[in-house]
Amino acid sequence: AQSVTQPDIHITVSEGASLELRCNYSYGATPYLFWYVQSPGQGLQLLLKYFSGDTLVQGIKGFEAEFKRSQSSFNLRKPSVHWSDAAEYFCAVGALTGGGNKLTFGTGTQLKVEL
Amino acid sequence: NAGVTQTPKFQVLKTGQSMTLQCAQDMNHEYMSWYRQDPGMGLRLIHYSVGAGITDQGEVPNGYNVSRSTTEDFPLRLLSAAPSQTSVYFCAAGTGNQPQHFGDGTRLSIL
Repeated sequence: AQSVTQPDIHITVSEGASLELRCNYSYGATPYLFWYVQSPGQGLQLLLKYFSGDTLVQGIKGFEAEFKRSQSSFNLRKPSVHWSDAAEYFCAVGALTGGGNKLTFGTGTQLKVEL
Repeated sequence: NAGVTQTPKFQVLKTGQSMTLQCAQDMNHEYMSWYRQDPGMGLRLIHYSVGAGITDQGEVPNGYNVSRSTTEDFPLRLLSAAPSQTSVYFCAAGTGNQPQHFGDGTRLSIL
């Protein structure tokens, strides 16, 4: 069965500092990997996705993530954090099931940005 | 450009009551799913459907029923609500290996 681990429950960074959120997955085949962001009281917004090909993927809002098969990791990075990036971030692994992608989520990382 | 629409947005129930959370999508996606989100536990899959007339259980199906009579709609039913079902519920729709689109959620409290 697939699983996702986000080892950091909370992270605090200063505005303008760099950010890396960790994600480790377990999956028997080539994974479909996603990062979602959730602002308080809101739904989930897709930041980026990895299916195959280039292991460094670019997303919205200046985020990027790198797929490392040898480490079973898909860490999210941003070179300079903005106060508006404060939110909860979820990593997910997908398994093709019927006509869609069955997602397993990590428990999330809450990001706080200090001004 | 509605995407996935969930109703209601908020609901308070008493233990033992029943209710249906509605989910509708206008993207003609075959795959739809329901998740619940609880603090510190991320999102967990309740039920999913790969097309009209086909549903299956996810990780936490107990206490919930679903049906899929049309491509557009995928309602989630609580037959006898329990306090443990207090949560935020998200519906999603997708196709193939593409990311799922999520609704804005239904915040459910059971007293």
